[in-house]
Amino acid sequence: AQSVTQLDSQVPVFEEAPVELRCNYSSSVSVYLFWYVQYPNQGLQLLLKYLSGSTLVKGINGFEAEFNKSQTSFHLRKPSVHISDTAEYFCAVSENGNKLVFGAGTILRVKS
Amino acid sequence: GAGVSQSPRYKVAKRGQDVALRCDPISGHVSLFWYQQALGQGPEFLTYFQNEAQLDKSGLPSDRFFAERPEGSVSTLKIQRTQQEDSAVYLCASSLLGTFGYTFGSGTRLTVV
Repeated sequence: AQSVTQLDSQVPVFEEAPVELRCNYSSSVSVYLFWYVQYPNQGLQLLLKYLSGSTLVKGINGFEAEFNKSQTSFHLRKPSVHISDTAEYFCAVSENGNKLVFGAGTILRVKS
Repeated sequence: GAGVSQSPRYKVAKRGQDVALRCDPISGHVSLFWYQQALGQGPEFLTYFQNEAQLDKSGLPSDRFFAERPEGSVSTLKIQRTQQEDSAVYLCASSLLGTFGYTFGSGTRLTVV
């Protein structure tokens, strides 16, 4: 069975500082990996996805993530955050693209 | 429509009451998914449709939960005899067949009192 662990429940960071949100997964087969962002009282918005190919994936709003198969990780990074990046971020894994298994989420709090 | 539309946005039900939650996917999206998001947790898969066919319902927590998509477009998630543990946000998502990473609606927040 697949599972996703987001190692930090909350990450506070100052505006314009870099940030990394950590995600580790477990699966017995090859997987597809995703990061979603959820703003308060809204649905989930896809930030980026890894399907195959280059292990460095670039997404929207300046975010990127790196797939590391040996460490079964898919950490999300941004070199300089803005106040508007304050939200909850979810990592997800799927074996077939039809059923996503989500982590518990990481709340990113950007402070001025 | 431009996005996935869910209604109602909020629903308060008395314990034991039946509820029906509606999802209107993006036009032309073949795949439709329902997820349940409890407070402070990530979404959990409930069920998946391809057109009108329910291909996976492994995530439905009990036989009180029932989903349908009779014409391959609008879907309804029905919960019978609601219980307090059913309180959650119910998210619907849709996608084109064979694409990865779907479009989510804003969800229906169900509170059972």
